[in-house]
Amino acid sequence: KQEVTQIPAALSVPEGENLVLNCSFTDSAIYNLQWFRQDPGKGLTSLLLIQSSQREQTSGRLNASLDKSSGRSTLYIAASQPGDSATYLCAVRGYSGAGSYQLTFGKGTKLSVIP
Amino acid sequence: NAGVTQTPKFQVLKTGQSMTLQCAQDMNHNSMYWYRQDPGMGLRLIYYSASEGTTDKGEVPNGYNVSRLNKREFSLRLESAAPSQTSVYFCASSGRDSPLNEQFFGPGTRLTVL
Repeated sequence: KQEVTQIPAALSVPEGENLVLNCSFTDSAIYNLQWFRQDPGKGLTSLLLIQSSQREQTSGRLNASLDKSSGRSTLYIAASQPGDSATYLCAVRGYSGAGSYQLTFGKGTKLSVIP
Repeated sequence: NAGVTQTPKFQVLKTGQSMTLQCAQDMNHNSMYWYRQDPGMGLRLIYYSASEGTTDKGEVPNGYNVSRLNKREFSLRLESAAPSQTSVYFCASSGRDSPLNEQFFGPGTRLTVL
């Protein structure tokens, strides 16, 4: 069974710092990996989707990398801002049988950016 | 374009009561999903519908039923609510249940069962 782990569980940084969030998964047979942002009391917003054949994706100040063979992904946030404060979730898409492809989520990293 | 919408936003039930959580999407997506999110745990799949007319169990289906009413709507029913079903429920949709498609999430329903 696929397991996704996110380290650290919580992170507090001063504004302006560059930071890295980590995600690891136990089964490398994935189709893609998705990073989400979740604000308190809100739903999930997709940030980046990396297909298994890709090494990285970039969107603005965000860069996500994927090392499928080692079961790892990182989300790099440049020049952090207080508005980046949220919980960041990592999810991997794998084949779950009967023609279905399911997401398995990590528990998230709660990020606080201090002004 | 509202994306994925869910009603209600909040609900309090007593043990044994029933209710239906509603979900609708306006992106013409074929696949829809119901997840629950509990403190200290990742999101877990309850049920999904790969296409209109089909539904399948996910990781934690016990105590729930679903209906894919049409292409837009996918409802989740609790027939006899239990305190263990206190959770935040998210609906999601994707173009198809394929490896390449992103899932888009609704804002969630916060359910408390007393």
